[in-house]
Amino acid sequence: DAKTTQPTSMDCAEGRAANLPCNHSTISGNEYVYWYRQIHSQGPQYIIHGLKNNETNEMASLIITEDRKSSTLILPHATLRDTAVYYCRSNFGNEKLTFGTGTRLTIIP
Amino acid sequence: EPEVTQTPSHQVTQMGQEVILRCVPISNHLYFYWYRQILGQKVEFLVSFYNNEISEKSEIFDDQFSVERPDGSNFTLKIRSTKLEDSAMYFCASSAIDSRKPQHFGDGTRLSIL
Repeated sequence: DAKTTQPTSMDCAEGRAANLPCNHSTISGNEYVYWYRQIHSQGPQYIIHGLKNNETNEMASLIITEDRKSSTLILPHATLRDTAVYYCRSNFGNEKLTFGTGTRLTIIP
Repeated sequence: EPEVTQTPSHQVTQMGQEVILRCVPISNHLYFYWYRQILGQKVEFLVSFYNNEISEKSEIFDDQFSVERPDGSNFTLKIRSTKLEDSAMYFCASSAIDSRKPQHFGDGTRLSIL
């Protein structure tokens, strides 16, 4: 489980793209980057993951730099329901997850 | 889309009593986990379970805790003699055999110890 660093908080206007950065400079060659979020006290929700190629699904896009030392989660059209704490992790999917502070994203009407 | 389901959503128990929290993981998943979140704090790992045995556990997961997969669908967390400090949200998660696949979480059980 490589260490990751994220900004503590971010704001984004409703309808705009939210870009959440994450640094994972110690990631090993076969570890994936995973993004989860927790809305209020709900269960953590998986968003997206990737190894080295950019990925897109119905929730978000994931851009991973070529050196794999950082990534950006993009929510293309943020809504108020996207207000949550977002966690970036780099490990294997079946390893225990450790939730640090993450990025508290606030979507502003 | 398949989901992890947890029951009950809220459990109120007297201190010292035993409690069992239940989870139904996604059907083709083979890795199972329990996490907890004390109010206002971060989500903490408790235990992971694979191939009918504990694969890893945290310091929190002491002798008062146990896990079981009693049949092909349920995964349970038992706390033998509950303490006030066990009050928390308990989340179950599961993941597929492919180690690259992510974990999927249930909505949690809120455990309140009186």
